[in-house]
Amino acid sequence: TQLLEQSPQFLSIQEGENLTVYCNSSSVFSSLQWYRQEPGEGPVLLVTVVTGGEVKKLKRLTFQFGDARKDSSLHITAAQPGDTGLYLCAGARNDMRFGAGTRLTVKP
Amino acid sequence: NAGVTQTPKFRILKIGQSMTLQCTQDMNHNYMYWYRQDPGMGLKLIYYSVGAGITDKGEVPNGYNVSRSTTEDFPLRLELAAPSQTSVYFCASRPTGGAVYSPLHFGNGTRLTVT
Repeated sequence: TQLLEQSPQFLSIQEGENLTVYCNSSSVFSSLQWYRQEPGEGPVLLVTVVTGGEVKKLKRLTFQFGDARKDSSLHITAAQPGDTGLYLCAGARNDMRFGAGTRLTVKP
Repeated sequence: NAGVTQTPKFRILKIGQSMTLQCTQDMNHNYMYWYRQDPGMGLKLIYYSVGAGITDKGEVPNGYNVSRSTTEDFPLRLELAAPSQTSVYFCASRPTGGAVYSPLHFGNGTRLTVT
């Protein structure tokens, strides 16, 4: 059983569309981290959310941490082909575990 | 500043062979991790360490062993390679201070094929 469930698993959209991906758990986390991974490389941190209800913006990306600190979402506005990649969430604990990821493809 | 360095980058093993994947970091991070990533999938935690001399199992430890004799090094050993261990292996580290905020720093991965 995955500690962190991510949905959808795959997402293919046209350039300019908006999208939201989700990261859910039955466990409470002190923080959640979102990473993006491109082919052949290791994941790179996008953001850390810490406070329940927190919203963080990174240009066209908006991250939200659920009030109960069990779930998080990532919203991308006006997606671009450069957003293509694998988006992973991880719960911040000693044993840093990841969700299975959402593979996003943005077509020009 | 090299960060997290993994060697080798690629390796092909025959079934039953053994090997050690090397990981070293020069950031004085206490926490270190080994993950495997199967094609098109997310990362699964194999083993982790919160400091020299301390190691713990992750989600998928069977078939692997680790040691942490120094802060810098965290090698991963495969004793009897099996085709199911064909994967990309990532080593990562993070500092202890401000643990809630501290990000993982990843190496570039080792692509292992067992035939």
